[in-house]
Amino acid sequence: GAVVSQHPSRVICKSGTSVKIECRSLDFQATTMFWYRQFPKQSLMLMATSNEGSKATYEQGVEKDKFLINHASLTLSTLTVTSAHPEDSSFYICSARSTSGAYEQYFGPGTRLTVT
Amino acid sequence: DQQVKQNSPSLSVQEGRISILNCDYTNSMFDYFLWYKKYPAEGPTFLISISSIKDKNEDGRFTVFLNKSAKHLSLHIVPSQPGDSAVYFCAASFAGGTSYGKLTFGQGTILTVHP
Repeated sequence: GAVVSQHPSRVICKSGTSVKIECRSLDFQATTMFWYRQFPKQSLMLMATSNEGSKATYEQGVEKDKFLINHASLTLSTLTVTSAHPEDSSFYICSARSTSGAYEQYFGPGTRLTVT
Repeated sequence: DQQVKQNSPSLSVQEGRISILNCDYTNSMFDYFLWYKKYPAEGPTFLISISSIKDKNEDGRFTVFLNKSAKHLSLHIVPSQPGDSAVYFCAASFAGGTSYGKLTFGQGTILTVHP
């Protein structure tokens, strides 16, 4: 149980284009999903909190117009990187918290974004 | 401001011995703590958690100890196995308020278990 998937696992795009990353909880419902970013050899940095049916909450320093988040259902959240630039290249990971109220968050396998 | 710190970037142990991974935090208001294991280019895998009202939680080979007065927690893996080799992250969070559910991660410790 508690499986979270992400799609795509790897994407290469050109500067100026937009990329959408999907995060799905496969066997549980998640009212809250989180989006993280990890730079090489660094820790995971929380970008935003995605709540089903409401606007995402962004962490300080994260541009909400650049990183669009939509949490359309209890099992799906999407992150769209708009007008991508090379500095957006990173490893993006989502996590989901079960509606059961447990503390644990379950992470997806991550998406490697490379902007050329 | 690094609220969760893992001061040891790496740890090397022999198979069968104990691995002890340490984590310090600065915010005494954290409500619970979690340990995750991560392989390169993969998402973290949840290992074990502990509430701030407890001082120990055990699950199989994994035990987490919490010392609130010292703002310190540790993960013990006994016995260590080569498959345990990975990056281990500790994380802390709140049970309520505006930061409810948000995880603050430490920098990670690379564990290598030698056969």
